[in-house]
Amino acid sequence: GAVVSQHPSWVICKSGTSVKIECRSLDFQATTMFWYRQFPKQSLMLMATSNEGSKATYEQGVEKDKFLINHASLTLSTLTVTSAHPEDSSFYICSARFPGGAYEQYFGPGTRLTVT
Amino acid sequence: ILNVEQSPQSLHVQEGDSTNFTCSFPSSNFYALHWYRWETAKSPEALFVMTLNGDEKKKGRISATLNTKEGYSYLYIKGSQPEDSATYLCAPGNYGQNFVFGPGTRLSVLP
Repeated sequence: GAVVSQHPSWVICKSGTSVKIECRSLDFQATTMFWYRQFPKQSLMLMATSNEGSKATYEQGVEKDKFLINHASLTLSTLTVTSAHPEDSSFYICSARFPGGAYEQYFGPGTRLTVT
Repeated sequence: ILNVEQSPQSLHVQEGDSTNFTCSFPSSNFYALHWYRWETAKSPEALFVMTLNGDEKKKGRISATLNTKEGYSYLYIKGSQPEDSATYLCAPGNYGQNFVFGPGTRLSVLP
């Protein structure tokens, strides 16, 4: 149990276009999901906390107009990278908080975004 | 924002060796700490969540201890196997804040 999927697993897009990444909790309902970004040789950096039915909470330094987050249901959160630039190329990974647990998070497999 | 350190950054051991690594974090206002194992091309897998000072958790050959007063946690692997090769991440959290991931320790177990 506690499986989180992420789609796509990798994507290449042209500069100026937008890319949507989906994060789904497959066998549990998640009121809270998290979006992380990993820069090369660095750890996972929290970008935003996504709450079902309300606006996402962004970490300091993360542009909310560039990284749009929508948590429309208890099993789906989406991250849209708008007007992508090469510096947005990175590894994006989501996690879902398991309800009732000690703040346990279950991670998706991640999405490798390359902007050309 | 928590400053989380993990050491060593990377580690190579022979199959059968036991090993351990460290996660350091500010001790004030501590709430809980997670350990994750992250294998290449897979999702990070939760190993332990620890909350109490002196906590010790065990899962097979892997165990972890927690010292909240001095702000560190140790992860031990007994009799390392090649399948233990992964990056091990710790993520402590304070009250009212999200968990912050350390940079990880990359373990390679050589057959």
